[in-house]
Amino acid sequence: QLQLQESGPGLVKPSETLSLTCTLSGGSISGNIYYWGCVRQPPGKGLEWIGSIDSSGNTYYSPTLKSRVTISVDASRNQFSLKLSSVTAADTAVYYCARLTITGTSRGYFDSWGQGTLVTVSS
Amino acid sequence: DIVMTQSPDSLAVSLGERATINCKSSQSVLYSSDNKNYLAWYQQKPGQPPKLLINWASIRESGVPDRFSGSGSGTDFTLTISSLQAEDVAVYYCQQYYGVPQTFGQGTKVEI
Repeated sequence: QLQLQESGPGLVKPSETLSLTCTLSGGSISGNIYYWGCVRQPPGKGLEWIGSIDSSGNTYYSPTLKSRVTISVDASRNQFSLKLSSVTAADTAVYYCARLTITGTSRGYFDSWGQGTLVTVSS
Repeated sequence: DIVMTQSPDSLAVSLGERATINCKSSQSVLYSSDNKNYLAWYQQKPGQPPKLLINWASIRESGVPDRFSGSGSGTDFTLTISSLQAEDVAVYYCQQYYGVPQTFGQGTKVEI
């Protein structure tokens, strides 16, 4: 059974870069029927898609975050990573790693999720 | 962006009674070439990640109890819990994967 595990600092200073690594177990990041994505959820609020990547390294980002987001994949480690630059308090959220079943270019539904990790932006 | 609007924001239902959640998209998510509605429903319990319940508007994921059902087409969709159980207390989200970016509704909290 696929498991996704997020790891990274729980506290990031304003203007710095948030880094998150997602590690897969029980499945492979390779293959062309899934995207690997990141979703965030501010405390007490709803879900926001940040971006996705396929196993070839093709990336797709939310237009509202595109200028600050980089997602990369390391197939040899069965991992993918998120970097979000120039963070502010508005970026405080639980960040989830997820697998998407591909339904169209850059799109899909999220069929497996990590437990999530709270990242707080504060000095 | 396609805006997904859920109603109500919250509802309280007695055990064993029916719960109905609505989701409306700002434009159709029915793809004419395959006649599929690009819509999913998720359940999120406190302190847990979301869980996929239904995709393609009405297809239950494996292991999801059959008291959960999805219906609708085009711009109007419904998630129905036919007989609410205590373990169904959660926030439910719809998501469209027709347009870019894929977007979620604001969530509906179901309580007893």
